[in-house]
Amino acid sequence: NAGVTQTPKFRVLKTGQSMTLLCAQDMNHEYMYWYRQDPGMGLRLIHYSVGEGTTAKGEVPDGYNVSRLKKQNFLLGLESAAPSQTSVYFCASRRDNYNEQFFGPGTRLTVL
Amino acid sequence: SQQGEEDPQALSIQEGENATMNCSYKTSINNLQWYRQNSGRGLVHLILIRSNEREKHSGRLRVTLDTSKKSSSLLITASRAADTASYFCATDAKDYKLSFGAGTTVTVRA
Repeated sequence: NAGVTQTPKFRVLKTGQSMTLLCAQDMNHEYMYWYRQDPGMGLRLIHYSVGEGTTAKGEVPDGYNVSRLKKQNFLLGLESAAPSQTSVYFCASRRDNYNEQFFGPGTRLTVL
Repeated sequence: SQQGEEDPQALSIQEGENATMNCSYKTSINNLQWYRQNSGRGLVHLILIRSNEREKHSGRLRVTLDTSKKSSSLLITASRAADTASYFCATDAKDYKLSFGAGTTVTVRA
């Protein structure tokens, strides 16, 4: 099993450009999450999904959109990138509400 | 907002020594989890302790939970260079989400 994978690993954008980050999991997990991590800080939740076709806002949702059309994939979109969105983005999944999260390796995004 | 807060922010110890870090939180929880993050990598789950448990062990890790004080501690015994990493506590508050603290950076000196 590959676990949780993220595409791409690195990306540099110019202000105003758009992009989509892809997260895929092969563990048949119901819940999926997108976080951002900034230097010296923990993880902040952007959006999450508790099942196929569902999404919900987390702690810092502004400037991001998500979609969960298939159970195994969770996409994070930036419609108009800003320098404040420079960060490392992590995707995670979990089976249910009582167990651990499994994390992807992260995407390092720089917005110039 | 981050519910869990780790203390200390950073810890430097000699190989073979024990490392202890603490986590405090604010609201009632289902369970509390500890994760490790090596530099530049994703988080890896270490141990989960449920709200009705007081202590749990996994290899060289020992976790305690005091729900009356809303606090938890993680002890790493006989530390090794490979234990150098950031450690995060995460609280699971019955709402599908985990809330992470800012982490404790542990450096193990050879």
